[in-house]
Amino acid sequence: VQLVESGGGLVKPGGSLRLSCAASGFTFSTYSMNWVRQAPGKGLEWVSSISSSSSYIYYADSVKGRFTISRDNAKNSLYLQVNSLRAEDTAVYYCARVPLEWLFNYMDVWGKGTTVTVSS
Amino acid sequence: QTVVTQEPSFSVSPGGTVTLTCGLSSGSVSTSYYPSWYQQTPGQAPRTLIYTTNTRSSGVPDRFSGSILGNKAALTITGAQSDDESDYYCVLYMGSGISVFGGGTRLSVL
Repeated sequence: VQLVESGGGLVKPGGSLRLSCAASGFTFSTYSMNWVRQAPGKGLEWVSSISSSSSYIYYADSVKGRFTISRDNAKNSLYLQVNSLRAEDTAVYYCARVPLEWLFNYMDVWGKGTTVTVSS
Repeated sequence: QTVVTQEPSFSVSPGGTVTLTCGLSSGSVSTSYYPSWYQQTPGQAPRTLIYTTNTRSSGVPDRFSGSILGNKAALTITGAQSDDESDYYCVLYMGSGISVFGGGTRLSVL
């Protein structure tokens, strides 16, 4: 069971990135998924959740309207489109598996994260 | 704006017992918030310890236990070991798909 994030990098304020999370070793299409981030030296912050069939999608207020979560079950992949980036979006972004379909605060498998740095 | 509160830091002696708590800036934490707990060492991804208040995740030793104490969720570590020195985060499910992490507690074992 593995989650591998990619797509992070250095971007200017106002810029965009698309983060990806490749899942393997389990039936991806049956699990809800989360994105969680951690700014340098700070705590964890829940960012967004998506149900297994993409029927339910949720965002933290801090990213609503700027970030878009999506998934492609045929490709075993989770995505986070991050737009209108701000300095405060600088963080390591983790994807995490949600084993109970609706209980989004319980995550049992985590990736190692991908780093997004927003700076001019 | 709901704030989930945790002690910023705590220390415990090797072999000792420590209880970390997770509260709300307004109101009480109950099982209805399905509190979960995660352990994180610097530079590493979080590790799941406890979910739905008191259920240990697979492979987590029974030295770690979760509960509700008064108006807060609690994580108790008994027989603390040096490799328990980590950051500990609780996260509450607020309903409507929203989860909120606490600020984390840095635990020192010394």
